[in-house]
Amino acid sequence: GEDVEQSLFLSVREGDSSVINCTYTDSSSTYLYWYKQEPGAGLQLLTYIFSNMDMKQDQRLTVLLNKKDKHLSLRIADTQTGDSAIYFCAEGYRGSTLGRLYFGRGTQLTVWP
Amino acid sequence: NAGVTQTPKFQVLKTGQSMTLQCAQDMNHEYMSWYRQDPGMGLRLIHYSVGAGITDQGEVPNGYNVSRSTTEDFPLRLLSAAPSQTSVYFCASSGSFAGGQNSPLHFGNGTRLTVT
Repeated sequence: GEDVEQSLFLSVREGDSSVINCTYTDSSSTYLYWYKQEPGAGLQLLTYIFSNMDMKQDQRLTVLLNKKDKHLSLRIADTQTGDSAIYFCAEGYRGSTLGRLYFGRGTQLTVWP
Repeated sequence: NAGVTQTPKFQVLKTGQSMTLQCAQDMNHEYMSWYRQDPGMGLRLIHYSVGAGITDQGEVPNGYNVSRSTTEDFPLRLLSAAPSQTSVYFCASSGSFAGGQNSPLHFGNGTRLTVT
């Protein structure tokens, strides 16, 4: 469960939707997270989804989970320039070392005005 | 709430020097960890701790030591700095694994270390 893959770059126009994709390899993953990192800052938890869910919506954010394909996506509606950041996908396991997460390499989202 | 506090924010070392990166959290979290972030590599786990007095190695522990004498503090020591340790270091903490819900990681703002 240590291979989390993300594309490295995504560019969108302001007002469009952004979709950031992530794949993972371990079907025993229990929790899947999206973190956001703004320049010069630490990682901030955006949202998370349990592995028994297919979708979670939180304002402009929609997380979709396809367990069969081990694919996770984060959709940001009406993307703004303030959404420009690096987005990390991470997976965690019930019963694993407390709090330990495995991160992807991050997707740099650039929003053009 | 201060959350996770890391000091210093920036540090420049010469090869062979030693130093300690400080990390403190005020959320009474059991779990604390250190990651390094390098361009194109994402986050890699260096060491972690599941409680006071308990530490263990992550993916890239060589050249680093940790200790956890209190719940609040989790310092990271570089024994003999090398240019390969030039990186951004993040400390993170999380609470108990309760009710089936994994407590999310809370991150500090990072320490930017350059080794010349």
